[in-house]
Parts: sequence; structure tokens; C-alpha cells
Amino acid sequence: GESVGLHLPTLSVQEGDNSIINCAYSNSASDYFIWYKQESGKGPQFIIDIRSNMDKRQGQRVTVLLNKTVKHLSLQIAATQPGDSAVYFCAENIFGGRRALTFGSGTRLQVQP
Amino acid sequence: DTGVSQDPRHKITKRGQNVTFRCDPISEHNRLYWYRQTLGQGPEFLTYFQNEAQLEKSRLLSDRFSAERPKGSFSTLEIQRTEQGDSAMYLCASSQGTSASYNEQFFGPGTRLTVL
Repeated sequence: GESVGLHLPTLSVQEGDNSIINCAYSNSASDYFIWYKQESGKGPQFIIDIRSNMDKRQGQRVTVLLNKTVKHLSLQIAATQPGDSAVYFCAENIFGGRRALTFGSGTRLQVQP
Repeated sequence: DTGVSQDPRHKITKRGQNVTFRCDPISEHNRLYWYRQTLGQGPEFLTYFQNEAQLEKSRLLSDRFSAERPKGSFSTLEIQRTEQGDSAMYLCASSQGTSASYNEQFFGPGTRLTVL
């Protein structure tokens, strides 16, 4: 398949380790955030979201942390598996504002078996 | 499959030709979005429909681009007089919501356009 991003920051981890992917968002007015996973040749896949009235949200093997003070978002993946290898994007939105999502630059996660 | 579908998945065309892409959203979703993604970048917003009304267009959407959603279901994106700079992945997304809801968008697999 074709690469989603050829010059993205890359995080390489061993299978079974925990992964932390970071994102700095741009708009202090944003109040809704989503992490997407994109595999080569595919569209972005929703992973987890968080609203600005929360600073942490957990899903299955994933946790998103939000620090509004420094406009920082992180995605933690527990017990990383080879199937987690992909490019990860954060996206932001403003409730009641424009409907389009604004995506950050992605991070490529490579899981070594 | 009840997800967002797009057709074709790949399109190769010569510069100056017109192309049209189709998106079928998740059936109960009233909102539909088009994004463009180039290598190494996140998706960039192009335009948005609520039902059949086109409510927002990005400045990225030049006069050569037009999108429609005539019956509030599927949508088409046409690019006229294609240029090499139009080469990208064109992504469609849909969501269901009202003004009081957040904007969880589900993406299709995309159409990869290559302009020679």
C-alpha cells in the first residue's frame, strides 16, 4: 500500500510496550478533540475523543490526556501490538463553531515484533 | 458494510481532464464532509453539507472544484481541468448531529487521484 506520510515523526516501540503519542493543538477555543488512526491506503479511523471539560478519558487499551493550559493532547496505547502500526492524527473542533475538523500533523507508530 | 463508501478508490487522469468522485455516507447521517490529504499531511477540509445544503467551503476549494449532494444522501465532488497539484487523496466523512451535538466524523477509504 501507499504510505500515508513519508516525512512524519516516527515513534518506534517494541511489541508489548506502552506508546505515547503527543499532539499540540492550535486553537485555544477548541473544545472537542479526536484521535484518528490511519493505515496505509485507508481513511482515518476514529479511536477516541475527549471534550474540554475532561482531562482524561479511557477506552480499550487507549487513554487520551488533555492539557488545556499548554494546548497539548496525548494518546497512550497500552501493550502496543503490531496491528497498532499506523499514522496517528489528532483533530480539533469547536462546539457550535465550524463543522470541519482541523487536523494536526501526524505521527507514525512502528511496532517492532 | 454500513460505513462510508467512496468510488472510485483510485483515479489516474491527464492534466486538463475532468474527474468526478462519489461518496455514500452512513445512511442515517445528515452531515457530509470532503477533505483532501497530501502525502505527509493531515486531512484538510474542503466543504461540508448538512442534508442537501452546502453550508461551508474552504478557500482551498477553487472555482475548478464543485460538490453536490442533491438529495441529501450521496455526494459528488467534481474537479474540472485537473492540474498536477490536484493529486491527492480525497476523503469523505459523515456524521449525525444537531447544533447541540459534538462532531464525531467517520471517514471513508478515500479516492486517490493522480494527475499526470
